[in-house]
Amino acid sequence: IQMTQSPSSLSASVGDRVTITCQASQDISKYLNWYQQKPGKAPNLLIYDASNLETGVPPRFSGSGSGTDFTFTISSLQPEDIATYYCQQYDNLPSFGGGTKVEIK
Amino acid sequence: EVQLVESGGGLVQPGRSLRLSCTASGFTFADYTMSWVRQAPGKGLEWVGFIRSKAYGGTTEYAASVKGRFTISRDDSKSIAYLQMNSLKTEDTAVYFCSRDWGRVVYWGQGTLVIVSS
Repeated sequence: IQMTQSPSSLSASVGDRVTITCQASQDISKYLNWYQQKPGKAPNLLIYDASNLETGVPPRFSGSGSGTDFTFTISSLQPEDIATYYCQQYDNLPSFGGGTKVEIK
Repeated sequence: EVQLVESGGGLVQPGRSLRLSCTASGFTFADYTMSWVRQAPGKGLEWVGFIRSKAYGGTTEYAASVKGRFTISRDDSKSIAYLQMNSLKTEDTAVYFCSRDWGRVVYWGQGTLVIVSS
C-alpha cells in the first residue's frame, strides 16, 4: 500500500494551525498512525488508529479520517513541534508516508 | 521500563553480510512481535520486516526491497531479536531501528548505523 503524504515541507509561525494530509492507495479503514521524529531520534507515536491521541501527547495534536484520506493537525504550533511527521498504515504490511518537515517561519 | 538496544552496526563492503541485534528488557519479550525499520541518511522511514511471537506462529514478513536477502529471527530465552542482512547493497546504508509491535509502535530502540561501502 502506497502512502502519499503532503506537503513534504512547510513553514509556519508559532501559534498557527498546521495540517498534513496522507492518502492511501487503497482502503485502510482506520489503520493509520502519525509519528513525530526529531533529528537523531527514533520516531514518537502521536496518533493511533487515525484519531486516537497516544498517552502523554499534548491535545494540540489531532488526527482524522478513514478509508483512504487522513488528516493530521497541530492546532497551535509550538517551537518544540519542529520535527518531521510521518503517517504509517498497518492495514496490510506496514508502510510509511514520505514525511513532512515542519519548520518555524 | 521498556528498553530496546540495537547493536552490530558498522561499515561493511557491498555483497557482504552483517547481523544486527536488538536486546530487549522491561517486558515479556516472548509475547510480542518485533519489528525492524530503517532510515537512509536524510530520507524517510522504511519498514523492513517483523517477526511474530511464537503464539502467532513466530512467522516473518519482509518488505519487497529486502525479501530474500534479510532474515529476522528471535531468541526468546535471551530477549533478543536479530536482523541478518546478506548480499548487502549500497542502498541498504541506513540507521536501523528495532521496535516492539508492528502496528501501533510505541517503543523503539535508538538505532544502529549500517554503512555499506567499498
